Amino acid sequence: EAEVAQSPRYKITEKSQAVAFWCDPISGHATLYWYRQILGQGPELLVQFQDESVVDDSQLPKDRFSAERLKGVDSTLKIQPAELGDSAMYLCASSPKPNTEAFFGQGTRLTVV
Amino acid sequence: RKEVEQDPGPFNVPEGATVAFNCTYSNSASQSFFWYRQDCRKEPKLLMSVYSSGNEDGRFTAQLNRASQYISLLIRDSKLSDSATYLCVVNPGYSTLTFGKGTMLLVSP
Repeated sequence: EAEVAQSPRYKITEKSQAVAFWCDPISGHATLYWYRQILGQGPELLVQFQDESVVDDSQLPKDRFSAERLKGVDSTLKIQPAELGDSAMYLCASSPKPNTEAFFGQGTRLTVV
Repeated sequence: RKEVEQDPGPFNVPEGATVAFNCTYSNSASQSFFWYRQDCRKEPKLLMSVYSSGNEDGRFTAQLNRASQYISLLIRDSKLSDSATYLCVVNPGYSTLTFGKGTMLLVSP
């Protein structure tokens, strides 16, 4: 069964350091999402790609966060500098096209100390 | 009004019980609706899509009420393994998916 791959699974970093997460969507899925989930809350959209183009990054804190999907396949989310409040689960999801079911990777659990 | 609202629960029910969750959405132009299940510290997993005519998958039934702008999930004959958080997901009329905060279900022996 095809899966969304994410790495690393866990990351501990010191505040003010840079951190990066990687996501490889299900093959053929044009839409890719990055969500952030704080414990006890629902996932909140950070950025959505359609192929290599950003569709929605309105909730992405652009002073410290960046995301790219250069060839329209895998994607990287970066935080620089990390802050204590960035501790959360970062979830990547993909879907064949917008507005259809999205499938999630196992997520990266980030702890900023 | 938040885009997608759910009662956080927890809903505590015994095995074998029937339980129902509702989720309200604010944008009447919303087009797609889903229920996801999330176990503690795991990723969300698609439970079912919600169609205008309603749909059923085994013990699970999902319904959409466009007039009142809510979707529902009914679980019959609850199992211990149904204990999880159930997330309502709505496409709010533009090209993204918005999640509710989830409803926690606890099924006890």
